[in-house]
Amino acid sequence: EDQVTQSPEALRLQEGESSSLNCSYTVSGLRGLFWYRQDPGKGPEFLFTLYSAGEEKEKERLKATLTKKESFLHITAPKPEDSATYLCAVQKTGANNLFFGTGTRLTVIP
Amino acid sequence: DAGVIQSPRHEVTEMGQEVTLRCKPISGHNSLFWYRQTMMRGLELLIYFNNNVPIDDSGMPEDRFSAKMPNASFSTLKIQPSEPRDSAVYFCASSLRVRLASYNEQFFGPGTRLTVL
Repeated sequence: EDQVTQSPEALRLQEGESSSLNCSYTVSGLRGLFWYRQDPGKGPEFLFTLYSAGEEKEKERLKATLTKKESFLHITAPKPEDSATYLCAVQKTGANNLFFGTGTRLTVIP
Repeated sequence: DAGVIQSPRHEVTEMGQEVTLRCKPISGHNSLFWYRQTMMRGLELLIYFNNNVPIDDSGMPEDRFSAKMPNASFSTLKIQPSEPRDSAVYFCASSLRVRLASYNEQFFGPGTRLTVL
């Protein structure tokens, strides 16, 4: 059965305290893995697409990596404005839809 | 450019009433997706369209839910009759699907928060 599991469910960090969010997946043929950011009361905002194991993408304080079984979203020296829920999603080979994990709620304390 | 537009942003209705949610995708996008988000179940795909044609509606909870896409710039999700358990945030997303194997970077609207009393 296809599964996307994100951990931890919630994470509280002090400003400047680097950490990583995990997205483990089990799908029959991965076409792409996507990271989204969701602020309260808003729709998910696209961050990254990762296509193959070993790939890395960076944007400001965020870096996403991909292996054959999981993806990490590394947050370096986070700021309070990085507080949000981070969602990962997978697209299977031959499919057009995404399957989302339940997200990690990140809080960065000043 | 305008992103995905959804209306209304908030809807409060009574059990048994008909509810219609509306979505205008990003101009030029040819795939449209309806999702429902709840605390318990997260973000769930309800139905998606390619070139205005419904492709997969296996996520639609039951016959009370229906969706249409009469043209490339408009889609509706209808619930009739509505029930309290339908209370959730409903998102519409769109993407540009170039070919079967293309990557599906979806862009989401702001959502409609539905409350059924």
